[in-house]
Amino acid sequence: EAQVTQNPRYLITVTGKKLTVTCSQNMNHEYMSWYRQDPGLGLRQIYYSMNVEVTDKGDVPEGYKVSRKEKRNFPLILESPSPNQTSLYFCASSFLTGSYGYTFGSGTRLTVV
Amino acid sequence: GQQLNQSPQSMFIQEGEDVSMNCTSSSIFNTWLWYKQDPGEGPVLLIALYKAGELTSNGRLTAQFGITRKDSFLNISASIPSDVGIYFCAGQSPQSGSEKLVFGKGTKLTVNP
Repeated sequence: EAQVTQNPRYLITVTGKKLTVTCSQNMNHEYMSWYRQDPGLGLRQIYYSMNVEVTDKGDVPEGYKVSRKEKRNFPLILESPSPNQTSLYFCASSFLTGSYGYTFGSGTRLTVV
Repeated sequence: GQQLNQSPQSMFIQEGEDVSMNCTSSSIFNTWLWYKQDPGEGPVLLIALYKAGELTSNGRLTAQFGITRKDSFLNISASIPSDVGIYFCAGQSPQSGSEKLVFGKGTKLTVNP
């Protein structure tokens, strides 16, 4: 089944403790992206990647890092999480050409205390 | 950056009623997409529109790509309880690569049985 898999689904952590949220897709998509969703603010793009070793900032990149060492994986790294990063995070992927829309993962609900 | 104005922000309707929501922008778009997000899940693509004036249906859902290329609407006929969720519009602009989508902030739909 074609899908985007995120882990974990839920995470509670403390301020300053480094964490990684994994994202993997099995559709051979070139493009991958991370979003955060907050009430009233919709989906805001954090980082995106057009292909292996090619990443760029989205609209709200502060406090986050990403890497794209393999085509299928695009982890989101929070080096020193803070409470304002408490949010619902989504990974998405798509082909680079054509307007087929994104396939989203099921989300990771992160709480930083 | 580019913005999509999606309205209404929320709707409370009775089962069986029809629903209409729309997205507008000051910029033109090449593609309009409509997504639905069920509670606790990631957005799922409902309908994709590729040409100005295009009208596309998916079951009880109908969406149109505005003639000016600056707007789109989504209608749901004879709503049922499982229509509950957040509906997002998304647009792909000529200025960006084919992979870059701009999202509206969503319309939260509640259906009372």
